[in-house]
Amino acid sequence: ETGVTQTPRHLVMGMTNKKSLKCEQHLGHNAMYWYKQSAKKPLELMFVYNFKEQTENNSVPSRFSPECPNSSHLFLHLHTLQPEDSALYLCASSQDSPGSGSPLHFGNGTRLTVT
Amino acid sequence: QQQVKQSPQSLIVQKGGISIINCAYENTAFDYFPWYQQFPGKGPALLIAIRPDVSEKKEGRFTISFNKSAKQFSLHIMDSQPGDSATYFCAARSSSGTYKYIFGTGTRLKVLA
Repeated sequence: ETGVTQTPRHLVMGMTNKKSLKCEQHLGHNAMYWYKQSAKKPLELMFVYNFKEQTENNSVPSRFSPECPNSSHLFLHLHTLQPEDSALYLCASSQDSPGSGSPLHFGNGTRLTVT
Repeated sequence: QQQVKQSPQSLIVQKGGISIINCAYENTAFDYFPWYQQFPGKGPALLIAIRPDVSEKKEGRFTISFNKSAKQFSLHIMDSQPGDSATYFCAARSSSGTYKYIFGTGTRLKVLA
């Protein structure tokens, strides 16, 4: 299996539920990202991890909790979400080093609906 | 200053025509400009990218034109095909930053058969 794999593809959860999104990359990259994609808005960067260390938290509410156990796996733990959190959540990876621009490789996303 | 402004929001082109999507930025530290293509139900996929040391890059029917002084770049799709119907995103990144890409709002392209 190659590329960036996200599970589940679709998720419906109530506001009191706790769920997790999973991302796995098979590209040997050192950086992993969570993005939120909502209609008619730019892709919103949520979190960045580089070599398992969080390097960016873009003022994301605490009801979203990321976890990066190693450079190949990334999780997004969800709890007490709001209906406005319904969106497509995209995971991406890249191979980055200082001074080097590397393209992002995206997974196909998890379509989240909060009821 | 961190924004990338993309236009138009949607575009309809006849088969065989030229599709043009424009992006503008403010941050002069940006030095890598990719375009992504996204089909329904899929994640964005890298289409073509350019660095500001060249004014144009061509890959098949897809061309990026880059105007450093105007801080603008555009995607041209020549001989547009119905299979090109997708949403296109421009993006920008500074290699001195924290691996942070800034994306445009996207252009939904429809190519009529």
